[in-house]
Amino acid sequence: AQSVTQPDIHITVSEGASLELRCNYSYGATPYLFWYVQSPGQGLQLLLKYFSGDTLVQGIKGFEAEFKRSQSSFNLRKPSVHWSDAAEYFCAVGGNYGGSQGNLIFGKGTKLSVKP
Amino acid sequence: GAGVSQSPSNKVTEKGKDVELRCDPISGHTALYWYRQSLGQGLEFLIYFQGNSAPDKSGLPSDRFSAERTGGSVSTLTIQRTQQEDSAVYLCASSPPRGLGEQFFGPGTRLTVL
Repeated sequence: AQSVTQPDIHITVSEGASLELRCNYSYGATPYLFWYVQSPGQGLQLLLKYFSGDTLVQGIKGFEAEFKRSQSSFNLRKPSVHWSDAAEYFCAVGGNYGGSQGNLIFGKGTKLSVKP
Repeated sequence: GAGVSQSPSNKVTEKGKDVELRCDPISGHTALYWYRQSLGQGLEFLIYFQGNSAPDKSGLPSDRFSAERTGGSVSTLTIQRTQQEDSAVYLCASSPPRGLGEQFFGPGTRLTVL
């Protein structure tokens, strides 16, 4: 079955510290992978995406993620966290179904808190 | 350009009433999706439109839920005889044609059923 697992429900980091949010997926075909961020009361904003090619992808707000096929992982990283990064982060997987786009499958999210 | 918009932003209703939630996708986007986000949960897929047709409505939780899309643009999600467990944030997203599954989300409608 297709699924996305985000093992960490809540993470707290100090401002300026590095961050890594974990994401593991189970998908039967070549996955398209996404990270979204959701601030309180807001919709989801796309941070970055992986379709093919270079396994290290850069996104907005200084985030990056690395696709590791052997580990079925797509972890999100940031070298130095800012207080404004406090939000909930969702990993998602999707694919191209013979040319027709289908829905994304989301993990349950990781809530990030940043302490001064 | 304008992003995905949803209305109303908040809806409070009484158990048993019908509600309609509206989504305006990004102009030119052919695919449209509805998701539900309940407290502490991830996003639950409800239905997907390609143009005006819905090739995948497998996520609709019951026959009280229905959705339509007209003119390849605006979509309405209708919940009949609302129940308290329908309380959630309903998110709409759209994707461009020939895209690779990248979805752009609206701000959501928070539905509270009393």
